[in-house]
Amino acid sequence: GENVEQHPSTLSVQEGDSAVIKCTYSDSASNYFPWYKQELGKRPQLIIDIRSNVGEKKDQRIAVTLNKTAKHFSLHITETQPEDSAVYFCAASPPGGKLIFGQGTELSVKP
Amino acid sequence: DGGITQSPKYLFRKEGQNVTLSCEQNLNHDAMYWYRQDPGQGLRLIYYSQIVNDFQKGDIAEGYSVSREKKESFPLTVTSAQKNPTAFYLCASSIGVARDRNTEAFFGQGTRLTVV
Repeated sequence: GENVEQHPSTLSVQEGDSAVIKCTYSDSASNYFPWYKQELGKRPQLIIDIRSNVGEKKDQRIAVTLNKTAKHFSLHITETQPEDSAVYFCAASPPGGKLIFGQGTELSVKP
Repeated sequence: DGGITQSPKYLFRKEGQNVTLSCEQNLNHDAMYWYRQDPGQGLRLIYYSQIVNDFQKGDIAEGYSVSREKKESFPLTVTSAQKNPTAFYLCASSIGVARDRNTEAFFGQGTRLTVV
């Protein structure tokens, strides 16, 4: 079945710097790759997603890239702000509806 | 007010007892999921259901059971066979995989289960 590995587990950056979180997946049939942000004590919420027919997607300060050949995808956050501090999860979804998450990255943005 | 609701928010269970966590959605979603969240281990899939009266095991189904008798409801029972049940449990729903197109999952607020 699908397995998703996420790195790093913790990431600390200065406000204004960029942050990059990387994920790899095992099932080449996976075709949907969402990213979720979970603030302390709250539910995970979708911030951006990408489908397998697209290599890159951008939404303001966040972007996601997908390399199907290498089976990895990454989240890029530019001009980080303290409110970006949270736990970020990547996920992969093969046909059939399973949604498998990575282990999470705790991002800390220091003012 | 549309959404996905989990209850209760906090739950305490004695060892050896079964306990059922509730998950209800009024989003008209076909797909529903149960995840367990432990520190440093991300969200691990327990069970998922793509349609009423059908569900599939996830990666950590042992010691858990579910039912999907109604589209709106997907209760999770933590049985006495689950050796380490203390965790944060999250339910989610999505439109489903119509035309093989997976979509955004919406999460409930979670239930924190503690075995005492």
